Amino acid sequence: QVQLQQSSPGLVKPSQTLSLTCTISGDSVSSSDAVWNWIRRSPSRGLEWLGRTYYRSRWYRDYAKSMRSRIIVDPDTSKNQFSLQLTSVTPEDTGVYYCARSATFISGWFDSWGQGVLVTVSS
Amino acid sequence: QSILTQPPSASGTPGQTVTISCSGTGSNIVSNFVSWYRQLPGTAPEVLIYRNNQRPSGVPDRFSSSESGTSASLAISGLRSEDEADYFCATWDDSRGAPVFGGGTKLTVL
Repeated sequence: QVQLQQSSPGLVKPSQTLSLTCTISGDSVSSSDAVWNWIRRSPSRGLEWLGRTYYRSRWYRDYAKSMRSRIIVDPDTSKNQFSLQLTSVTPEDTGVYYCARSATFISGWFDSWGQGVLVTVSS
Repeated sequence: QSILTQPPSASGTPGQTVTISCSGTGSNIVSNFVSWYRQLPGTAPEVLIYRNNQRPSGVPDRFSSSESGTSASLAISGLRSEDEADYFCATWDDSRGAPVFGGGTKLTVL
């Protein structure tokens, strides 16, 4: 059974960088059958997909158009993790952040989720 | 302003059947599978339905879904107090090249 365990950064100041990691057990970040995603939920935006990474002979990264200028999702094969970096954060980036796995490439189906971490952007 | 439109709230009494709608466009629901999620307070979403009408093991058949054109619906029959939660629909959007979600429906069991 796949389990995803997230780090918890908590409070981030405006204009700084939000960094989260998701540690995978029961699967591999390098699996050719999985896609590794970051999703957040906020009162103003509901659930919002942010970006993903996956391995298909090489590494791919896809990002939500609204995030493309300030987001990086990276795999770390040595730790079986993937990470999220979001730069230049504002209070609008406050929310609960989830990592999630999808077993299919073109899908809204996420079959395993991390526990979620609350990130507050405030000075 | 979510891409998929859901009613913000729904309610029913124990034993009733409640239906939650999810409205999209030709670039998402029409051409891609829909998934449904339940989220209890303080927990991560859990998938109830995937590939339009498949249920993961452990999800009772009280939960069912249907699609018609640019809309999808989740039906919960034999409503129970523990069904009180937020429900989300999700699918892939071809024009965005990304997964999209509904705004969520808060279900209250009266």
